[in-house]
Amino acid sequence: QITLKESGPSLVKPTQTLTLTCTFSGFSFDTDEVIVGWIRQAPGKALEWLAAIFWNDSKQYTPSLRSRLTITRDASRNQVFLTMTNMDHVDTATYYCAHRRRRGDNWYPFDYWGQGTLVAVSP
Amino acid sequence: DIVMTQSPDSLAVSLGERVTINCKSSQSLLFSSNSKNYVAWYQQKPGQPPKLLIYWASIRESGVPDRFTGSGSGTEFSLTISSLQAEDVAVYFCQQYYVTANTFGQGTRLEIK
Repeated sequence: QITLKESGPSLVKPTQTLTLTCTFSGFSFDTDEVIVGWIRQAPGKALEWLAAIFWNDSKQYTPSLRSRLTITRDASRNQVFLTMTNMDHVDTATYYCAHRRRRGDNWYPFDYWGQGTLVAVSP
Repeated sequence: DIVMTQSPDSLAVSLGERVTINCKSSQSLLFSSNSKNYVAWYQQKPGQPPKLLIYWASIRESGVPDRFTGSGSGTEFSLTISSLQAEDVAVYFCQQYYVTANTFGQGTRLEIK
């Protein structure tokens, strides 16, 4: 059974740094070819892919936010972290972490998602 | 970035009627080496995370009712609900996972008429 759960502050001030944690179970970076990604969704808006970390510790970021994002992991604790600097009110959104897997040469899309954590940016 | 454009933005359909949602990508999502289209469809209900319905453009995820069908290839894709049920009220998103930097369509809101 794969589960993911996001945690972090529900409110940050403009210019502050946001750090979110994704704690997962049911898979492991040490034994499974997986990706954990972060996706956000502003209220009433579309989904926006932010960053991903691979089982081999490779990382990718959305180009528009690359300078503000850092994705890391603690494989021993089954956790992935997302740091976003210089928060602004436009970053108010629900932030999700999600799981992708590879079978053979084929990568599958996000099949398991956390429930999401709502982050508001306000003075 | 690969841009995914859905149509319509919203629609209202009577129970039991057929629903089709379209998605167009800014470049081909057909990977020639394996002939797979890297397109997925998700359903999102209020207060919930997206739920994977379809991957490889036409493969139904385990447990998804067979009234949901995905089709298309290259740059044009569709999600069809053969007979709308009340529990299908949701927002539907298409997604490309052709590149790691996935992108999503803007969403289509489906309501009951």
